[in-house]
Amino acid sequence: QSALTQPASVSGSPGQSITVSCTGTGTDVGGYNYVSWYQQLPGEAPKLIIYAVNNRPSGVSNRFSGSKSGNTASLTISGLQDGDEADYYCSSYTSSRTYVFGPGTKVTVL
Amino acid sequence: QVQLQESGPGLVKPSQTLSLTCTVSGGAINSGNYQWTWIRQPPGKGLEWIGYIYYTGSTYYNPSLMSRVTISVDTSKNQFSLNLNSVTAADTATYYCARRGYTDGFEYWGQGALVPVSS
Repeated sequence: QSALTQPASVSGSPGQSITVSCTGTGTDVGGYNYVSWYQQLPGEAPKLIIYAVNNRPSGVSNRFSGSKSGNTASLTISGLQDGDEADYYCSSYTSSRTYVFGPGTKVTVL
Repeated sequence: QVQLQESGPGLVKPSQTLSLTCTVSGGAINSGNYQWTWIRQPPGKGLEWIGYIYYTGSTYYNPSLMSRVTISVDTSKNQFSLNLNSVTAADTATYYCARRGYTDGFEYWGQGALVPVSS
């Protein structure tokens, strides 16, 4: 199974909005509404921030939002804060009943 | 609150079998049709999905690891386990156990166990 595609890095100034893309195929991202996003701070386990394309778990800031168009899903972080500096991973269910992750995107707050 | 904790040897030699156990607390492993999952992360690299098991014992594995991986469950101990055989240095990683919820997403994670493969 092929990994999903994400930009290696995205940066923005405090208060700005940034978007991280996650591109797959019709057998994963494009075929199912089972795309999730994870935030990983240095030295910590990943944390679920978006599930089923555009849903936030309880306790996750509403500054995080998700969407999908065709084979590309997106994570938007609005009102960027210093604490948002982290690695972000997307994941998708696949037609093989398996899961695949993207390579991760390092978000930097300038 | 569901909690997961990985345990296992801190070092594995090349060609041997890597074995890890995930102990679940705060809920019974057979309380629902959850996917009890293993995910790994080589040092400085991204996440790789290894596979999952239902409490019934049904499993699904990453095709790239399928020939070497076995995931099992012990409902009496509220644990599930990972065996990865014929390991090489490329299998050096932090291994996480996690639970996928009904609606999507790996909602609960263990803290991770770093397993070096070295002679």
